[in-house]
Amino acid sequence: QKEVEQNSGPLSVPEGAIASLNCTYSDRGSQSFFWYRQYSGKSPELIMFIYSNGDKEDGRFTAQLNKASQYVSLLIRDSQPSDSATYLCALEVGGGADGLTFGKGTHLIIQP
Amino acid sequence: KAGVTQTPRYLIKTRGQQVTLSCSPISGHRSVSWYQQTPGQGLQFLFEYFSETQRNKGNFPGRFSGRQFSNSRSEMNVSTLELGDSALYLCASSPLTSGITDTQYFGPGTRLTVL
Repeated sequence: QKEVEQNSGPLSVPEGAIASLNCTYSDRGSQSFFWYRQYSGKSPELIMFIYSNGDKEDGRFTAQLNKASQYVSLLIRDSQPSDSATYLCALEVGGGADGLTFGKGTHLIIQP
Repeated sequence: KAGVTQTPRYLIKTRGQQVTLSCSPISGHRSVSWYQQTPGQGLQFLFEYFSETQRNKGNFPGRFSGRQFSNSRSEMNVSTLELGDSALYLCASSPLTSGITDTQYFGPGTRLTVL
């Protein structure tokens, strides 16, 4: 059974600091990992994906994947109040036909 | 390029009724997936369609069904509605151009309330 675990938060981070969001998963067959941001009352918005071990950077965002330890993380540098949202971690086992398995999300609050 | 569109955006039904939700994927995207989002269960996979074929289905009862048309537009149907079906129903489309990663883009969702 595929499970994705995230700390529900809220995680409170001062403006300008680094926000670190973590996610662990149980299925070693998981191939691709995604981070989505969801504002209250809105649909999930893709931030980035990663499928190779290591770091992947995109602007202020860095995704980190460690398949041996079965965790994936998202770092947000220079956090802004507009980054306040729920961050969803999702994984895909392969092929896309199985859909994405989501964690329940971490509620991030950036304090001005 | 226009994003994923879903209609209607809001819907109120009563128990026992049925409902049909519609999704138009991003132009050129051939895969459409449906998800249910509730506060208690989070986002859960309902089913995925590609080339008018349902390739997989999540752990939902048979009251939940769907289909995809030749233009990749998709509909999902919920029959005999129950109070617990109240949720945000999200459609996501994917281009399936990458052999490694199937990036999904979500529509705005349909908020279904069952009274």
